[in-house]
Amino acid sequence: KAGVTQTPRYLIKTRGQQVTLSCSPISGHRSVSWYQQTPGQGLQFLFEYFSETQRNKGNFPGRFSGRQFSNSRSEMNVSTLELGDSALYLCASSLTGLNTGELFFGEGSRLTVL
Amino acid sequence: QKEVEQNSGPLSVPEGAIASLNCTYSDRGSQSFFWYRQYSGKSPELIMSIYSNGDKEDGRFTAQLNKASQYVSLLIRDSQPSDSATYLCAVNKLADDMRFGAGTRLTVKP
Repeated sequence: KAGVTQTPRYLIKTRGQQVTLSCSPISGHRSVSWYQQTPGQGLQFLFEYFSETQRNKGNFPGRFSGRQFSNSRSEMNVSTLELGDSALYLCASSLTGLNTGELFFGEGSRLTVL
Repeated sequence: QKEVEQNSGPLSVPEGAIASLNCTYSDRGSQSFFWYRQYSGKSPELIMSIYSNGDKEDGRFTAQLNKASQYVSLLIRDSQPSDSATYLCAVNKLADDMRFGAGTRLTVKP
């Protein structure tokens, strides 16, 4: 059974640019959630999508957005990048959603903003 | 006050000892509690979930939940060097987001 696939694994951007990250969940999983991980703040919840609908959203500015497609693949977008957006972005898939907590994480996309 | 608090460590225990990891949370409405393990440079993986007060055992791991005290713990018996990792406590309220603690770094010394 294939795991959660995130692309790209590494990317470097400059301030003001925008970035799109992709996540393919485990086959059959309908929930995809996104997290930002930094040494200072730890793992912070961005948003969760379930069957193409955003169900939950964390405390991040509107520059962070996402979507989910009919095949459950998800993308997140960060516009007008800031230096503080440098982080590891993790997505996790789940069969039923956050309340069961059985999240399967991808390897992450490491974003560096210069 | 952080919503989910853990001692950052590092926590160092000798091989074969019991490692005790603690977590407190602030939202009394929290209903689901999880422990994830994250090796350096890797993504988190779920090792335990607990939903009701008491103990839940799975092999060498025991999760303990006390909702009245808003406290969750993870005990690792017979600790092995391969248990050396950062352990993340995660808390969820139904139909809400997932809140993670900052993690406790555990080192098991041979």
